[in-house]
Amino acid sequence: EVQLVESGGGLVQPGGSLRLSCAASGFTFSSYSMNWVRQAPGKGLEWVSFVSFDSNIIHYTDSVKGRFTVSRDNAKNSLHLQMNSLRAEDTAVYYCAKTTLENGHDQNFDYWGQGTLVTVSS
Amino acid sequence: EIVLTQSPATLSLSPGDRATLSCRASQSISSYLAWYQQKPGQAPRLLIYDASNRATGIPARFSGSGSGTDFTLTISSLEPEDFALYYCQQRVHWPPITFGQGTRLEIK
Repeated sequence: EVQLVESGGGLVQPGGSLRLSCAASGFTFSSYSMNWVRQAPGKGLEWVSFVSFDSNIIHYTDSVKGRFTVSRDNAKNSLHLQMNSLRAEDTAVYYCAKTTLENGHDQNFDYWGQGTLVTVSS
Repeated sequence: EIVLTQSPATLSLSPGDRATLSCRASQSISSYLAWYQQKPGQAPRLLIYDASNRATGIPARFSGSGSGTDFTLTISSLEPEDFALYYCQQRVHWPPITFGQGTRLEIK
């Protein structure tokens, strides 16, 4: 059974940092590209970042470029999002999401974690 | 950036009714559109990918159609568990991946 479990969320002051993690199991993690998607309270879904299965391709939405860094450790089946210079508008539930195609960049998200809440407030 | 516009914002129907949800893209996205369902407190679930392909385990009452700029998600006969939020998502012109703003399907 595919499982994605996020952790690392919490309350942080503006300008602070957090590191989110996503622990993957039930599939060959090293063969699938992964994404972070966030959802502000009561709002819709917003794509944040993509990392290819081999970490060779990385993309970010414009609002987080230069502040967030995505990485993965295929040996440990884990995905990470280092978030620096956090702003109030980064407050959201952050989901990790798996893509559907092995060794591909298809960007259909067939499995999601349960999400971890990041609150940026003083 | 591709903008996806979903309509209506809210759809009020009864169990057993047919639901038709729309998603319009600001430019052609071929058939690279997915639909997700989200229930309160839960992560989104992939329903349809590439406009018309049901994801694994999705009941046959869910179907998708369309290409280019206009897409439709149809639920043929609503079950109580189908009342939820629905999002469309495009993957042809990325980054960024973009989602529609959502349609809330509520019980009438």
